[in-house]
Amino acid sequence: EVQLVESGGGLIHPGGSLRLSCATSGFTYNDYSMSWVRQAPGKGLEWVSYISDSSNAIYYAGSVKGRFTISRDNAKNSLFLQMNSLRAEDTAVYYCARATISGWPAFDWWGRGVLVTVSS
Amino acid sequence: QLVLTQSPSASASLGASVKITCTLSNGHSSYAIAWHQQQPQKGPRYLMILNSDGSHNKGDGIPDRFSGSSSGAERYLTISSLQSEDEADYYCQTWGTGQGVFGGGTKLTVL
Repeated sequence: EVQLVESGGGLIHPGGSLRLSCATSGFTYNDYSMSWVRQAPGKGLEWVSYISDSSNAIYYAGSVKGRFTISRDNAKNSLFLQMNSLRAEDTAVYYCARATISGWPAFDWWGRGVLVTVSS
Repeated sequence: QLVLTQSPSASASLGASVKITCTLSNGHSSYAIAWHQQQPQKGPRYLMILNSDGSHNKGDGIPDRFSGSSSGAERYLTISSLQSEDEADYYCQTWGTGQGVFGGGTKLTVL
């Protein structure tokens, strides 16, 4: 069974840093591209970042570009999101999502999410 | 600019059918989308990929009650024989040049 399990969230002060992790299992991780998607309280889904299977292609939403860094460890079946210079508007549940193995990146499997709260 | 537009809300009675719409912005009517369901207090769940010709590929375990169709720039999600557990937010999603895009979501109320 496919599983995506996020960790690393919590309460952080504005300007601080946090590193999210996503542990995966149940599929051949290095065959799939991955993304992070977030959801602010009471709001809709917002795509954050994407990384291809071999890390050759990396993209960011404009709202996080220059502050967040996506990475992956294919040997450990894990995905990461390094978040720096955090702002109150980064407060959200962050989801790890797997992209479909072929064609354009539709997200065909999701984790349960991890809450990040940026507040003083 | 690639934008997906959804009505904020929809409602239908238990056992009835409902059609939820996602509209692609001008110049993007050939794009495929994906539909996702988010039940209250849960993470999203992938439902299907829906192509411009109306063909669709559903995720594992998605009931036959869920189907998709297309017309021009509009992509539809139809849920038949509505059940209480179908009460959820429904999001469409696509991909532009190096950019993921979500619609604003439609909150479905089952009466």
